[in-house]
Amino acid sequence: DIQMTQSPSSLPASVGDRVTITCRASQSISTYLNWYQQHVGEAPKLLIFGAYNLQSGVPSRFSGSGSGTDFTLTISSLQPEDFATYYCQQCYSAPTWTFGQGTKVEI
Amino acid sequence: QLQLQESGPGLVKPSETLSLTCSVSGGSISRSDYHWGWIRQPPGKGLEWIGSIYYSGSTYYSPSLKSRVSVYIDTSKNQFSLMLSSVTAADTAVYYCARRSASPYTGDRGYYYYFMDVWGRGTTVTVSS
Repeated sequence: DIQMTQSPSSLPASVGDRVTITCRASQSISTYLNWYQQHVGEAPKLLIFGAYNLQSGVPSRFSGSGSGTDFTLTISSLQPEDFATYYCQQCYSAPTWTFGQGTKVEI
Repeated sequence: QLQLQESGPGLVKPSETLSLTCSVSGGSISRSDYHWGWIRQPPGKGLEWIGSIYYSGSTYYSPSLKSRVSVYIDTSKNQFSLMLSSVTAADTAVYYCARRSASPYTGDRGYYYYFMDVWGRGTTVTVSS
């Protein structure tokens, strides 16, 4: 199984900050990596697929990068609505999937 | 606009079978370009993929749950269902259903990018006597 490890687990931040979240795969997954955002009490929302492709409707302050085993999600200027938990997910082994453990962006 | 809605008992006794249904509205579950899946989230924890199904009935399960999981599809009702047997307290979670879509282009390995782009709101299932 491909394991996904995110860091940090929690990330204190302020509005306007540039925020970077890291995701590492236990083996190379090329660019087969998705990012999701989840607010408390809500379903996850797709932000980025294929490591760097922005899902339709997602603000351009979100960006993704990386290939192989190391990936990053960057929020260029944190907005109040961005305080949430972020998950990476590998789709290299689709139709089976694994998620990272999540990174909570908090005040 | 496609919508997914989970339904089923909110309380299940230990050792019994958890059964949930996801009703799909605003689109056909029989479209060949989508899979349909279940994901769960224990209280205060992360997301765990459970299993997925194609309109043809082909299924894919998490290796860690495979011995207890079944996913079914009913195209006539535009629904798909989850059954998880021999539940314990560890199966207490919010259960989500979701649609798996694919990018219109492939990545550098020649595979499409797959992702879950439409989710239900989730339903809480507690395992307790």
